[in-house]
Amino acid sequence: GQQLNQSPQSMFIQEGEDVSMNCTSSSIFNTWLWYKQEPGEGPVLLIALYKAGELTSNGRLTAQFGITRKDSFLNISASIPSDVGIYFCAGPKEGGADGLTFGKGTHLIIQP
Amino acid sequence: NAGVMQNPRHLVRRRGQEARLRCSPMKGHSHVYWYRQLPEEGLKFMVYLQKENIIDESGMPKERFSAEFPKEGPSILRIQQVVRGDSAAYFCASSPRTGRAGNTIYFGEGSWLTVV
Repeated sequence: GQQLNQSPQSMFIQEGEDVSMNCTSSSIFNTWLWYKQEPGEGPVLLIALYKAGELTSNGRLTAQFGITRKDSFLNISASIPSDVGIYFCAGPKEGGADGLTFGKGTHLIIQP
Repeated sequence: NAGVMQNPRHLVRRRGQEARLRCSPMKGHSHVYWYRQLPEEGLKFMVYLQKENIIDESGMPKERFSAEFPKEGPSILRIQQVVRGDSAAYFCASSPRTGRAGNTIYFGEGSWLTVV
């Protein structure tokens, strides 16, 4: 079935460092979404990508829709403590119906 | 997250009891989705409903789980005869129309079910 693989599983970085994470799929996606989830909260949409090759920014966050349509990347520049959380990639659920498939997430931990 | 209201936020049930989780979508949203998140996992799609209709329940376990979105009132996710494996966070999301664009889907803050 449809799978999204995220890497790395977790990241321990120093405040101020840049962060890079990626997501690969077993099938072609037409939409890539990146969400952030903080402890005890629901996921919040960060960036949505709709076109192969598309590069989209949201403040210090930049995401790219891979040319093969089977991967996407999220970069965070100059990390700050509030960037801590779990970052999920997601795409449309297979079968053409509504709903999303999520990856297992990348845990971002920032050391002061 | 603003606007999609879930309650209770935390629920403890003994094995064999029933759990009812409620979701009020954002104002003007007629599409509701339920997802389940196990510890250290991503969210897994369970069911997609529009008012009074179940559109896609391909992610729902075949037994003990049911969902409804009545004409009036919140959407309800019902789990009968809960077992320890049902312990998870259950998230509701809503959208004003088909959510394929992704950017119109808003998530609630979740209901954490613990089965003891």
